[in-house]
This record gives sequence, C-alpha cells and structure tokens, in this order.
Amino acid sequence: GAGVSQTPSNKVTEKGKYVELRCDPISGHTALYWYRQSLGQGPEFLIYFQGTGAADDSGLPNDRFFAVRPEGSVSTLKIQRTERGDSAVYLCASSSPAGQMSSTDTQYFGPGTRLTVL
Amino acid sequence: GQNIDQPTEMTATEGAIVQINCTYQTSGFNGLFWYQQHAGEAPTFLSYNVLDGLEEKGRFSSFLSRSKGYSYLLLKELQMKDSASYLCAVRYDSWGKLQFGAGTQVVVTP
Repeated sequence: GAGVSQTPSNKVTEKGKYVELRCDPISGHTALYWYRQSLGQGPEFLIYFQGTGAADDSGLPNDRFFAVRPEGSVSTLKIQRTERGDSAVYLCASSSPAGQMSSTDTQYFGPGTRLTVL
Repeated sequence: GQNIDQPTEMTATEGAIVQINCTYQTSGFNGLFWYQQHAGEAPTFLSYNVLDGLEEKGRFSSFLSRSKGYSYLLLKELQMKDSASYLCAVRYDSWGKLQFGAGTQVVVTP
C-alpha cells in the first residue's frame, strides 16, 4: 500500500515568509510525528499527534512553529516568519494501525520536505 | 536531554561484517530502533529491541543490553547498497517519540 507522502518535496522561501508543509500518513495510522533533520544529524522530534490532538509538542522550538491535524489524517506544519536557521529537512512519520497501541509502534517515515530559507 | 552516542563513520569491504555500537542513557528506556537512511531519502526501519538479547533479520542483527545502555547493529555479508547512514533511536516514554543519534555513515568499498 501507499507509504507516508509529503509535499512539497522542496521549498525555497525568503526570510520572514510563511510556509506550510503537508504530510499524508499511511491510511489508518492514528499516530503522526514531525521531525526535522539538519545535515549530518539525526532527526529531531518536533510534535506528536494521536488522532486530531497534539499529544506532545515539546519539541517545537518556538511559537513560530505550529501544526494541525484537523481530521485525524493529513497534517500541516506551519512556520511563520521563517529564519535561515529553519533550513532543514522536515520529516513526517506515522505509526500504530487504528485500534492498536502495541509496544513496537514502528514509525514509518515519509521522504521529507527540504526547506531552504534564503 | 538523553545523549545517544554512535560512531560518525565506519568503512568496510564488500562481503565483510561491520558492527555499529550505540550507547544511551538508561533512565526511562522503553525501546530501541535502528533505521537505515540513504542520502536524500527517508529513514527506513531495520530492527526493534526492547528486551535484552539478539534479534536477527537476514543479514542484519541487533543486540540490546538494557543494564549497560548499549546496543549494536551487525551487518553481515556487506553489499555496496549497504552504504548508508545507520540511525540508532531510543524511545523514552510510552508516547512513541524517538530520540535519535547523529547516525553512523557506513562506507562499503569494493
């Protein structure tokens, strides 16, 4: 079946602009995660949704970052007043088939959106 | 935060074996994952350990010692396509968010 998809694959913007990044999880997965990955580093956790609600947003770096998942499926990560330091690959992952929360809960990642802030 | 340490780079010859070590802080541990990531691509799941011991999956095996805060990923019969970054990730609570190491770049040479 289809994996996690993310759009756009690349986004170039100017400092100070607003951007939206979209994630479409694996069908039926109730948990959705956003991470960001800088060059030469591992992914860094941003926010986690269980269904429509943000269960843990402790990784969001500041109030310029916000994410929503209004219908419990597609999620959008929104970044206001972008800064050059926001440049990174933003990864989305999903896990746990509906109705199950097993201890494995393997997270399956999408291909990411490469954000470049000029 | 909880530091997750793994070597930056390892080089090995095609057909050989490579062992990638990962150490982590043990407090709150709730599972360890290994992912493979080719340049410019998404991380792909390789293995999961939550109990002590060895998990084997074809050419790849992963070991965990919870008391030592230590895991390793063993890659056998290396192939050129195994050249990639290998990420160690630890879950510290029941919600599932992962803390990743910086990754180990494995270079397979002919």
